[in-house]
This record gives sequence, structure tokens and C-alpha cells, in this order.
Amino acid sequence: GDSVTQMEGPVTLSEEAFLTINCTYTATGYPSLFWYVQYPGEGLQLLLKATKADDKGSNKGFEATYRKETTSFHLEKGSVQVSDSAVYFCALLGGGGSNYKLTFGKGTLLTVNP
Amino acid sequence: EAGVVQSPRYKIIEKKQPVAFWCNPISGHNTLYWYLQNLGQGPELLIRYENEEAVDDSQLPKDRFSAERLKGVDSTLKIQPAELGDSAVYLCASSSGLAGVEETQYFGPGTRLLVL
Repeated sequence: GDSVTQMEGPVTLSEEAFLTINCTYTATGYPSLFWYVQYPGEGLQLLLKATKADDKGSNKGFEATYRKETTSFHLEKGSVQVSDSAVYFCALLGGGGSNYKLTFGKGTLLTVNP
Repeated sequence: EAGVVQSPRYKIIEKKQPVAFWCNPISGHNTLYWYLQNLGQGPELLIRYENEEAVDDSQLPKDRFSAERLKGVDSTLKIQPAELGDSAVYLCASSSGLAGVEETQYFGPGTRLLVL
């Protein structure tokens, strides 16, 4: 079945550091890929998405590129802020022929220190 | 535009008691999802509705869990009786429901349940 593997956290960075959170996936078909962010005590918010190979999703300084050849969708940000501290989830949709079943990774906790 | 609304935000109950969670999706969204998020894990789908019809409830533990979406808008998820292992966050999400189109799902803030 479909699966998503994220780098394990927690990840602790200083403000203005470069961020990479690795995400790889296994899926049949041609899934769409997502990054969701969950701030403390809140639900999941869509951060960015990409629907086909080589697409780049971007939002709020974050970006991720859909790499079909390496089955990856790594999240990057050039300069993190304290307000970016949250749990980040990589997810796929549409693998295995389903266009509604979201499969999530386990999440990566990011803490940014001033 | 209002997002997905859930209530209550927090609930503490004793084991064997019933509990219910309510969700109101984004206006105009025909598809509604309930997810379970255990601590340190990603959400897992429990049930999906298209309008008032439960089109995928294969992951819903039907011995104690039930859900309804009677008028195709808001929805209620119930647990009866609750067990200690049900302590988790219950998330509701909605999407537009356009047939055959990959749909972005938008999540509510969740209900955090603690069973004592």
C-alpha cells in the first residue's frame, strides 16, 4: 500500500538557519503530494502542494519539489523563524487509484530558537 | 470564509462513558472526513462522507464508533463506550467534492479527547 516516510525529529535550529525536512513516498499511480503544518494546539493547515512530477509547491518561504525519479518531496526553507516552530507532515493523495485517501507521514517536530 | 469548525476543542471523560464530537465543514464542501490522530502520529482516516452518504467507513471501529451526517452538512462522530485507548485528537476535514478531481482537504482544529 501507499506510505510516506519522513525524517525523524525533533529538529532544532537557530533562527535564520536553513531547513530541510526529508520526505519519501511509496505509491502506485501518480499521487499528489502535500506538506501540512500543525502549530501547537491547532489542527492541520495546508502549507503547500504539488500535483505532478517536477512541480514545485511554495508558500510562506517554504518550498518542495515533486521528484518522481527519487520518490521524494523534501521541504526546504532558506531562513527559519521562531514562528515556524510546529510539526510538519508530509502526505500523499491519489496513490493506488484513490483520489481522496490522504496518507500521512508521522510528522517532524521543528523547534526554532531565537 | 470560515474554515472547518469543530466542537468541543477538549473533552475529558471517564472510560465507558459516551462522547460525541461535532463538525461543520467549509460552506459548499460536499465531502467530509473524520480522522484519528494518535500522539506522535499522522492522522488516519476513519470515515468519509459524500453529502449524506458514508462512502468509506472501512477504518471505523463499528463496535463502538458511529457517525452521521443527516442533512449532508454538519456531522457527528460518537464513541460509546469510550476506552482508555481512544484518547487522541479527532480531526474533521472537508473538500469540495468535485467528482473525479483530486481534492485538497482542509482541516479543523480538532477535538482532543482524554479518557480516564
